[in-house]
Parts: sequence; C-alpha cells; structure tokens
Amino acid sequence: AQSVTQPDIHITVSEGASLELRCNYSYGATPYLFWYVQSPGQGLQLLLKYFSGDTLVQGIKGFEAEFKRSQSSFNLRKPSVHWSDAAEYFCAVYTSGTYKYIFGTGTRLKVLA
Amino acid sequence: DTGVSQDPRHKITKRGQNVTFRCDPISEHNRLYWYRQTLGQGPEFLTYFQNEAQLEKSRLLSDRFSAERPKGSFSTLEIQRTEQGDSAMYLCASSLLASGGTEQFFGPGTRLTVL
Repeated sequence: AQSVTQPDIHITVSEGASLELRCNYSYGATPYLFWYVQSPGQGLQLLLKYFSGDTLVQGIKGFEAEFKRSQSSFNLRKPSVHWSDAAEYFCAVYTSGTYKYIFGTGTRLKVLA
Repeated sequence: DTGVSQDPRHKITKRGQNVTFRCDPISEHNRLYWYRQTLGQGPEFLTYFQNEAQLEKSRLLSDRFSAERPKGSFSTLEIQRTEQGDSAMYLCASSLLASGGTEQFFGPGTRLTVL
C-alpha cells in the first residue's frame, strides 16, 4: 500500500539557518510528489511538485526539494529560513489509478528569532 | 482569481445534530475531493467526484456521511447525527482532468467542532 512518512513531528530552527524536512514514500512506480504548507487555521498551499525530469525542483518562497528514487525520498530544503516560514508542512504522494493524495502526518516548523 | 471556496469556515454543533458543508471548486475543474484533517494529522481522503459522479468513497466515510455534487459544480458534505469524533477540519479540493488531474487546489477548509 502507498504511504508517506515524515519522521520529524516538530523542528525548531533559528531565523537565517538552513532547513531540511524529510519525506519518505512507499510506492511501486514513480509517484507524483508534492509539498504543501499550512498556516494555523488555513488550507493547504502548494510549495512545489515533482512529476518527472529534473530531480531537483524549485518552488515558491525559496523552497526546493530533491527526488531520490534510490532512497524513496523527497526532502524539502530552504537555505535561509524566515520567521514567516513557521507553519506545518505536509508531503503528499499522488498515485495514478487512485486519483487521490496520500499525506504524511506533517512536520511543524518553529522559527526562533 | 477565484480559488476553491468553502462555507462555512467554522461550525459548532451539538452532538446528534446534522450539519452540511458546501464547497465551490474552481469553475472549470471537473474533479472535486473531500478530505478530513484531525489535529496533528495530515488530511485523509474521504471521497471524490468526477463531474456529478461520485467515483470513490473511503471506508472513513461512514453511513452518517453523504456527499453530493448534483450539477457537477458545487458539492455538499452532510454529516448526520454528529459525534464528537467528527470534530475535524474538512477540506475540499478540485482539479482539472484535462491537465492530468494530478494537481489539486485546496480550499480554506471548514472547521467542525462537535460539543
């Protein structure tokens, strides 16, 4: 069965520090992969997506993610975190034939001033 | 730019009452999805429509839940005889089949609190 694992429930970083949020997926074929961000009480905003091609994808707000097939991973990175990045981040996989997303449990990011 | 809208944004109800939520997708999108998100969890798939046809329902969708999309545009999600365990954020999303249907656009959600 398809699944998504985000091993870090909470991460705290200082403003200006670099960030990496981990995501591992389980799926037999090449999945479509997404990262979403959710601010408190809000819906989900798409940060970036991977369908095929270049394994390093750029997103909004200075985020990027790298697809590594050998590790079944799609980690999200940002070189310098801003206080406004504090939110919850969700990794999701879309599998053709099921037409739905499977989400990880999320990573809550706290940014220290 | 009109995205996905949901109404109401918040609903507080007493156990045993019925509630109905509405979702208006992006106008040309023919797929519409409902997800449920409980505290500390990622969204979980409930059901999806392609135009007016409901094509899949999760086992999470008990018989107290019903969803409709009568004209292939807006959708409603009704919960009958609400229970405290129904308290959650209910998210709606839509996608365009012609562009592959893989990217879903989410609404702001309806937060349900059952007392």
